[in-house]
Amino acid sequence: DTEVTQTPKHLVMGMTNKKSLKCEQHMGHRAMYWYKQKAKKPPELMFVYSYEKLSINESVPSRFSPECPNSSLLNLHLHALQPEDSALYLCASSQKLVGGADTQYFGPGTRLTVL
Amino acid sequence: GIQVEQSPPDLILQEGANSTLRCNFSDSVNNLQWFHQNPWGQLINLFYIPSGTKQNGRLSATTVATERYSLLYISSSQTTDSGVYFCASRSNDYKLSFGAGTTVTVRA
Repeated sequence: DTEVTQTPKHLVMGMTNKKSLKCEQHMGHRAMYWYKQKAKKPPELMFVYSYEKLSINESVPSRFSPECPNSSLLNLHLHALQPEDSALYLCASSQKLVGGADTQYFGPGTRLTVL
Repeated sequence: GIQVEQSPPDLILQEGANSTLRCNFSDSVNNLQWFHQNPWGQLINLFYIPSGTKQNGRLSATTVATERYSLLYISSSQTTDSGVYFCASRSNDYKLSFGAGTTVTVRA
């Protein structure tokens, strides 16, 4: 099973709302990632978790708050977002963070609209 | 991180045609992946190919690591092949660097 799942598929929120995106994988992967993708652009890395610890924060604004409750789950908590944060949010996982043959597998994404 | 360039940026094909997409990268890599992003946004793994040649059905890929490029071949294209094809690579750090993508449109 090489599946990464994400919920919800679509999310519309106001600038004062608090919402969360969820990601799950059951491949035993120990590295998990959040990416943001704007229309007609490649994915941009936001956060990386390795062995459930935050390893990388690519200078993401604090209105995005990641959380890794266990080795299979990754959340992205959203608060006080701006309309320019509207994008496709992709979760990915891989066996480990660095070194060796390592394929990243992506979930289907959450399409977020901030009004 | 690694710089990745993809060409062409756009490709329009008639159903049944063959095509070649190219990915150039700026440094030696230990990870190179090709993805297909379908119109619904799903990024589908096509190949993990830091070197050598692989085939999967109508798709094949070749990476010449010493010359820092990779090619993706699509044969007998179908309308379901439409979408954006991304090449992504990584050297010794954590970051998978994506190219800008090639948008493929296959017409019936």
